[in-house]
Amino acid sequence: DQQVKQNSPSLSVQEGRISILNCDYTNSMFDYFLWYKKYPAEGPTFLISISSIKDKNEDGRFTVFLNKSAKHLSLHIVPSQPGDSAVYFCAARGSGNTPLVFGKGTRLSVIA
Amino acid sequence: GAGVSQTPSNKVTEKGKYVELRCDPISGHTALYWYRQSLGQGPEFLIYFQGTGAADDSGLPNDRFFAVRPEGSVSTLKIQRTERGDSAVYLCASSLTSSSSPLHFGNGTRLTVT
Repeated sequence: DQQVKQNSPSLSVQEGRISILNCDYTNSMFDYFLWYKKYPAEGPTFLISISSIKDKNEDGRFTVFLNKSAKHLSLHIVPSQPGDSAVYFCAARGSGNTPLVFGKGTRLSVIA
Repeated sequence: GAGVSQTPSNKVTEKGKYVELRCDPISGHTALYWYRQSLGQGPEFLIYFQGTGAADDSGLPNDRFFAVRPEGSVSTLKIQRTERGDSAVYLCASSLTSSSSPLHFGNGTRLTVT
């Protein structure tokens, strides 16, 4: 049973437009959420995170929104650039020493 | 500074053989994690070390899998009697602490069991 779900396996966006990647979770004990970006043959790279006490966190072109009541988070990238083309993983963890649980990923293609 | 280093980057082995995968975490990071990523899936947790001890090994699929971190730095993931289903990318990650620090991943070891 998947605790972190990324229901869109792929997304295609034009350069300069907004990319919105979605993630749903089922475990109400999760209180820390992260987004990772992965290029082929490389490990996932940390992008941005959000704690459950917040509903928004922004870092440059990247913003993560958290809706706790809906158990939903999203990553917004604006403006999208061709170098953003990668697989994006949503991840979540509970408090204490619990391990990160990952979604299956969404492949983003930014078209020039 | 240097990131998480994993060796080898690729490993091909025959079914039934024993393999060791090595992870060198970022200097000063006390927490170390092993994950496994199969095709089309996200990384799946295997085991987590805090210092030298395995704090959580609940993700190890069976007793053919074992990991050590004897001096609290380098870790080795050991797989006995490999099976074709063990083929995957094995990812190592480290973090400063285990609470709210993001994990920093290595590039992984791609294991192929023939």
